[in-house]
Amino acid sequence: RKEVEQDPGPFNVPEGATVAFNCTYSNSASQSFFWYRQDCRKEPKLLMSVYSSGNEDGRFTAQLNRASQYISLLIRDSKLSDSATYLCVVSGGGSNYKLTFGKGTLLTVNP
Amino acid sequence: EAQVTQNPRYLITVTGKKLTVTCSQNMNHEYMSWYRQDPGLGLRQIYYSMNVEVTDKGDVPEGYKVSRKEKRNFPLILESPSPNQTSLYFCASTSSLGGSTEAFFGQGTRLTVV
Repeated sequence: RKEVEQDPGPFNVPEGATVAFNCTYSNSASQSFFWYRQDCRKEPKLLMSVYSSGNEDGRFTAQLNRASQYISLLIRDSKLSDSATYLCVVSGGGSNYKLTFGKGTLLTVNP
Repeated sequence: EAQVTQNPRYLITVTGKKLTVTCSQNMNHEYMSWYRQDPGLGLRQIYYSMNVEVTDKGDVPEGYKVSRKEKRNFPLILESPSPNQTSLYFCASTSSLGGSTEAFFGQGTRLTVV
C-alpha cells in the first residue's frame, strides 16, 4: 500500500461546482496532515492544515478521520483560480518533520 | 519577507560534471530538506537536516550529497550527475517551534542532465 494515496484525477469542473478530494495514508503513527496546492511548474504552498475536528477556511473544508486513515478536502463554489494540483501531505510529527506527499490531483475549473 | 531561495532556477549540464544547487532560508528554521519531483512519482525526499551538522538520508539519496555548515544554508551536491537525475528539485525549510510544521519551499530548480 502506498504511503499516501490520492484520487488520480484529473478533475475538470465548471465554475461554481463543488469538488471533493480524497486521500488515504498507511502510517497510523502519522501526526500532522495537510493539503498543499501546487500551480504548474511552481513550488507547493500550504493550503491548510487538517485537524481531527475538521476545519474550514472560506470555501475550503478539510476533514481527518484517524480511524479510517482518511483525509478529505472540499472546495465549494469553485473559481477559475482554484485550478491547480492539490497535494495530500502527511508528517510523522514530533521531531520528525519529514513530509510524505501524495502524487497530487490536478483540478481544472472551466468557465 | 520570509523566503527560501534556490539557485540556479534552471540548469542544463553534462553527465559527470559536478554541480551544486544552493538553498538558503531567512526564517531561522532548524529543519531543511530536499525533494525531487518527477511525473507520475510525486515529490520524494532526497536528504534532510534537523540542524547544523545533522543530516540524514531521505527516500532517494543515491547520487546526492548535502551539507549543513550553517543554519540558513543547505546545498545539494551532485558529484557525478547522470541523466536519471534530470528532475525538478525543491528545497524546503520547516520550523520546529510552536508546534508549527508548515514547510516553505523554494521556487524550484529544473535540472537537465544530458
